[in-house]
Amino acid sequence: GENVEQHPSTLSVQEGDSAVIKCTYSDSASNYFPWYKQELGKRPQLIIDIRSNVGEKKDQRIAVTLNKTAKHFSLHITETQPEDSAVYFCAATLTGGGNKLTFGTGTQLKVEL
Amino acid sequence: IAGITQAPTSQILAAGRRMTLRCTQDMRHNAMYWYRQDLGLGLRLIHYSNTAGTTGKGEVPDGYSVSRANTDDFPLTLASAVPSQTSVYFCASSDYPGSTIYFGEGSWLTVV
Repeated sequence: GENVEQHPSTLSVQEGDSAVIKCTYSDSASNYFPWYKQELGKRPQLIIDIRSNVGEKKDQRIAVTLNKTAKHFSLHITETQPEDSAVYFCAATLTGGGNKLTFGTGTQLKVEL
Repeated sequence: IAGITQAPTSQILAAGRRMTLRCTQDMRHNAMYWYRQDLGLGLRLIHYSNTAGTTGKGEVPDGYSVSRANTDDFPLTLASAVPSQTSVYFCASSDYPGSTIYFGEGSWLTVV
């Protein structure tokens, strides 16, 4: 089955700086890679996702890159703001065929003023 | 607002008691899931259902059971609660297995 590793487990940045969270996956057949944000006491919510037929996707200050050869994908947050402070989870799967999302263990991002 | 409803929101339960966490979705999603979230361990899959009438075991199924009698409901039962089952439980659903997962608000369970 799929195995997803996520680094770092904690990340502190100054407001306005960029933050990068990296994940690696084991199953080369995986083709769908979502990222979730979880604020304290809330549910995880999808913030961006990428499919294996593209290498990069952007949505305002958030971007995700995918390197299929190296089997890793990264979340990039630019111009960080205090409201970006949360736990971020990556996940990977092969869509269809009954496969389930496999999650990373999460990254606690703290944006300091 | 369409989505996933979980109940109860929080519960303190005596060890040895039976407890059912309820989950209902109105998105007509085929697949449903139960995750538990513990500090430092991320989201771990307990049980899942790819479609009504079927269920499967996830990563940490021991001590839990589920049923999927219809598309909308996916209850999780703790037959005899133990303190190690203290956790936050998230019900989730997706249009089909492996597609984007949407989470409920969570149920905070404390077993004492």
